[in-house]
Amino acid sequence: SQQGEEDPQALSIQEGENATMNCSYKTSINNLQWYRQNSGRGLVHLILIRSNEREKHSGRLRVTLDTSKKSSSLLITASRAADTASYFCATGTITQGGSEKLVFGKGTKLTVNP
Amino acid sequence: EADIYQTPRYLVIGTGKKITLECSQTMGHDKMYWYQQDPGMELHLIHYSYGVNSTEKGDLSSESTVSRIRTEHFPLTLESARPSHTSQYLCASSRGQATYEQYFGPGTRLTVT
Repeated sequence: SQQGEEDPQALSIQEGENATMNCSYKTSINNLQWYRQNSGRGLVHLILIRSNEREKHSGRLRVTLDTSKKSSSLLITASRAADTASYFCATGTITQGGSEKLVFGKGTKLTVNP
Repeated sequence: EADIYQTPRYLVIGTGKKITLECSQTMGHDKMYWYQQDPGMELHLIHYSYGVNSTEKGDLSSESTVSRIRTEHFPLTLESARPSHTSQYLCASSRGQATYEQYFGPGTRLTVT
């Protein structure tokens, strides 16, 4: 069953505005990651936040994690047309049996209009 | 850009043909993965490898097979392609645990007619 689920499914904003995407998940995690995918391409890792962290920044990206609500958000500030892409959250879990998993959500399609 | 390569980028092939999708990485990563992704949908793990001569099936059942004879090379083979195999196939690798950052290739878009 799907672990991470992004919201909204699609988001359209103007250049210069901020974009916020949310991710909810179901089980305990070791970390949560955000990836970007440009149309027809592979995914690019953006940021990783560990389960004991609450907030992390990288350039114009800000990620928060609330383990009590099993949710995360990705904020892109001062968006640019080049930010147009699909954004995926991925939850990293390690089971008691030692099995490691990275499970991706369906993604949020962001369009930044010039 | 990650040093992970996939060929071909696009492939249109008829039903019943045997195909091999190539994936190679120059980062020396032990762990490699194959994902299947339909347009606008999430990625599904179909195969993974934690090192040479180690391969496992992922969460999504797939008729494809993989091999890992060299650290840098992780090809995926379909013995008899069918229209239901039409999808994008993404190869990835990671330096440590599977829960760490994964580096993705550009993908192969496969169409089976």
